[in-house]
Amino acid sequence: NAGVTQTPKFQVLKTGQSMTLQCAQDMNHNSMYWYRQDPGMGLRLIYYSASEGTTDKGEVPNGYNVSRLNKREFSLRLESAAPSQTSVYFCASSEGWGGQGLNEQFFGPGTRLTVL
Amino acid sequence: GDSVTQMEGPVTLSEEAFLTINCTYTATGYPSLFWYVQYPGEGLQLLLKATKADDKGSNKGFEATYRKETTSFHLEKGSVQVSDSAVYFCALSGGNQFYFGTGTSLTVIP
Repeated sequence: NAGVTQTPKFQVLKTGQSMTLQCAQDMNHNSMYWYRQDPGMGLRLIYYSASEGTTDKGEVPNGYNVSRLNKREFSLRLESAAPSQTSVYFCASSEGWGGQGLNEQFFGPGTRLTVL
Repeated sequence: GDSVTQMEGPVTLSEEAFLTINCTYTATGYPSLFWYVQYPGEGLQLLLKATKADDKGSNKGFEATYRKETTSFHLEKGSVQVSDSAVYFCALSGGNQFYFGTGTSLTVIP
């Protein structure tokens, strides 16, 4: 099993360009998440999908859109990139609700995005 | 709302020293608690977890006990190694989301 995979690993964009970050998981998990990681800020949730067919905003959704394409795939789109979106982006998945709270998340290796 | 507060870093220890990284939480329900570790250039990996009060999670010599009375989940290891150098995140599950602390960077020197 590959776990959670993300593409691309690195990307450089110019201000105003658009791009889509891809994420796929092969663990048959119900829930998927997108985070950004910035120095001194920890992980901040951008969007999540609790189950196939649903998406919800997290803490920092502005400037992003998501698509839960099917149970395996959850993409993140930047429509008009800005320098403030320079960050490391992580996708994660989880089985969802367990007997006592959410089951643990499994993370992808990350996408390092620079917006010039 | 739910939140996690963990001790500021960075932390630098000599090999074989005792490690404690403090984590406290605020939650409206009965969350599960987690410690994740991030090695340089990689994603986060689950280190250990506890799902109810007084549970002790343990893995690779690390331990943490879910203390409801003090709303804490402190990470401890009796003797750290150079290979433990990483960033450690405390997290809790609430609703359909996870809430992460800001991370504590640990460097272990030989």
